[in-house]
Amino acid sequence: DSGVTQTPKHLITATGQRVTLRCSPRSGDLSVYWYQQSLDQGLQFLIQYYNGEERAKGNILERFSAQQFPDLHSELNLSSLELGDSALYFCASSPRTDQNTEAFFGQGTRLTVV
Amino acid sequence: AQTVTQSQPEMSVQEAETVTLSCTYDTSENNYYLFWYKQPPSRQMILVIRQEAYKQQNATENRFSVNFQKAAKSFSLKISDSQLGDTAMYFCAFMKHWRAGNQFYFGTGTSLTVIP
Repeated sequence: DSGVTQTPKHLITATGQRVTLRCSPRSGDLSVYWYQQSLDQGLQFLIQYYNGEERAKGNILERFSAQQFPDLHSELNLSSLELGDSALYFCASSPRTDQNTEAFFGQGTRLTVV
Repeated sequence: AQTVTQSQPEMSVQEAETVTLSCTYDTSENNYYLFWYKQPPSRQMILVIRQEAYKQQNATENRFSVNFQKAAKSFSLKISDSQLGDTAMYFCAFMKHWRAGNQFYFGTGTSLTVIP
């Protein structure tokens, strides 16, 4: 158990709909990262938050948005869903910048758009 | 910008044999960290091994070891005595410190199949 919790584990929804994925980082971790992994593909970095503020942006679509709350949990909002958005969405967390550790990954949310 | 390259999309190895997965990276940073993650069919991301760039000694974790060549910017993973449970996707990752949160860069992955 990495200590990173993602909910829900599975999500099935229709095209055009909006969903929210939730991530609770490890206790004390300030950074949260979101990744998208399509079938048999690598990890596509979407966005990073640090202590509530957006710090880095990757290939995140305009239909997607995220935020990190004061309690450090994060949500990824996906709207106007398309079939191609079906993927495994990972959240990862890491500690303060002066702590040299790896990123800890949640189990992922498997999103299926039908 | 940092880039991580894994040039072997797929590899296979016989059970009990040794296999080496390649990873190269490009950076102008001097202090950074390197990792290998394993993603089995369950899709969970599991840390296999980590290496601090300032350490010359190669990291070792049981059957897993790395060959870290800083000047060549190379970071390969050697798996000895391969087991069926080693079948997975392996991702190489680079981490740099940033004042606003450590940044991670991942390679595209190598799919490893261990053949009985």
